[in-house]
Amino acid sequence: DQQVKQNSPSLSVQEGRISILNCDYTNSMFDYFLWYKKYPAEGPTFLISISSIKDKNEDGRFTVFLNKSAKHLSLHIVPSQPGDSAVYFCAASEGGFKTIFGAGTRLFVKA
Amino acid sequence: GAGVSQTPSNKVTEKGKYVELRCDPISGHTALYWYRQSLGQGPEFLIYFQGTGAADDSGLPNDRFFAVRPEGSVSTLKIQRTERGDSAVYLCASSPEGRDTQYFGPGTRLTVL
Repeated sequence: DQQVKQNSPSLSVQEGRISILNCDYTNSMFDYFLWYKKYPAEGPTFLISISSIKDKNEDGRFTVFLNKSAKHLSLHIVPSQPGDSAVYFCAASEGGFKTIFGAGTRLFVKA
Repeated sequence: GAGVSQTPSNKVTEKGKYVELRCDPISGHTALYWYRQSLGQGPEFLIYFQGTGAADDSGLPNDRFFAVRPEGSVSTLKIQRTERGDSAVYLCASSPEGRDTQYFGPGTRLTVL
């Protein structure tokens, strides 16, 4: 059973527009959520995180929104840049350190 | 500074053989994680170390998999009697303490023929 789901395998966006990546989770005990970005042949790199006590966290062009009642989080990138083209993973952990990742969404930002 | 390094970058082995995969975490990081990533999937948690001890090994798929971190720094993931289904990219990550951003290495691509 997938506790963290990213239902869109890919997303294509025009440069300068907003990219919205979505993630759903099933475990209501998750209390910490993260987004990672991955380029080919590299390990994932941390992008942004949010604690379950918050509903929004912003860092530059990246904002993560958390809707606990819907068990849903999203990553907004605005404005999108061609260098943002990568695979984005949503991840969650429950009270400890074991982190569960989604399957990823491949973002294409077209120039 | 140096990031997380993993060796070898690629490993090809035959079914039934034993393999060891090495992870050098960022200096001073007390927490170390191992993940396995299959094609089209996200990283799958295997084991987490805090210092020298395995704090959570619930992700190890079976007793053919074992990991050690004897001095609280370098870690080795050991796979006995490899099977074709073990083929994947094995990722290592470290963090300053447990509940922090994880810094990933580039991974070891294991292919079992």
